[in-house]
Amino acid sequence: AQTVTQSQPEMSVQEAETVTLSCTYDTSENNYYLFWYKQPPSRQMILVIRQEAYKQQNATENRFSVNFQKAAKSFSLKISDSQLGDTAMYFCAFMTLGNSGTYKYIFGTGTRLKVLA
Amino acid sequence: EPEVTQTPSHQVTQMGQEVILRCVPISNHLYFYWYRQILGQKVEFLVSFYNNEISEKSEIFDDQFSVERPDGSNFTLKIRSTKLEDSAMYFCASRLQVKEQYFGPGTRLTVT
Repeated sequence: AQTVTQSQPEMSVQEAETVTLSCTYDTSENNYYLFWYKQPPSRQMILVIRQEAYKQQNATENRFSVNFQKAAKSFSLKISDSQLGDTAMYFCAFMTLGNSGTYKYIFGTGTRLKVLA
Repeated sequence: EPEVTQTPSHQVTQMGQEVILRCVPISNHLYFYWYRQILGQKVEFLVSFYNNEISEKSEIFDDQFSVERPDGSNFTLKIRSTKLEDSAMYFCASRLQVKEQYFGPGTRLTVT
């Protein structure tokens, strides 16, 4: 069964600094997607970044970038120039084909990030 | 930009009562999902729905749960007889292609 592990329950970073959140996963599939979602106190799930497993190039979205190591099954999120608005829970998610091609998500347990002024 | 909507935002119900959580997915999306997040825990898959039928369900999704797309726009999750442990945030999501799912803002269900 696929699993997603986020080993850092909580992290903090000073405003304008860089922080990296880690995520590892386990799968026997070759084609899949990985995501980072942000969940602020409102609890809305907001997509931060997406990575297709078949792409070797790491995805970037403005201040957010990933380090995708397929062989190591690692998918970390780097936030540069951290802002107070980045304070949130961050979930790593793996999208699997599922039993019937459902492409369901499997989430990690989350990392609570606090950006300090 | 189109978005997934969910109503109500917060539902309080007594144990044993039936609740219906409503979602309006993005209009041209074909695949629909319900997820659950118990407070302080991770988001868990409940069920997926495609072509008017359940395509996959988790072990959480027992006989107390059902889903329906009654009118081509709404997507509902019904819990027949709520238990205290059903208290959670319930997220609806939809997608069109094999890319990301778009999540609604969630419904917080409190069972007393």
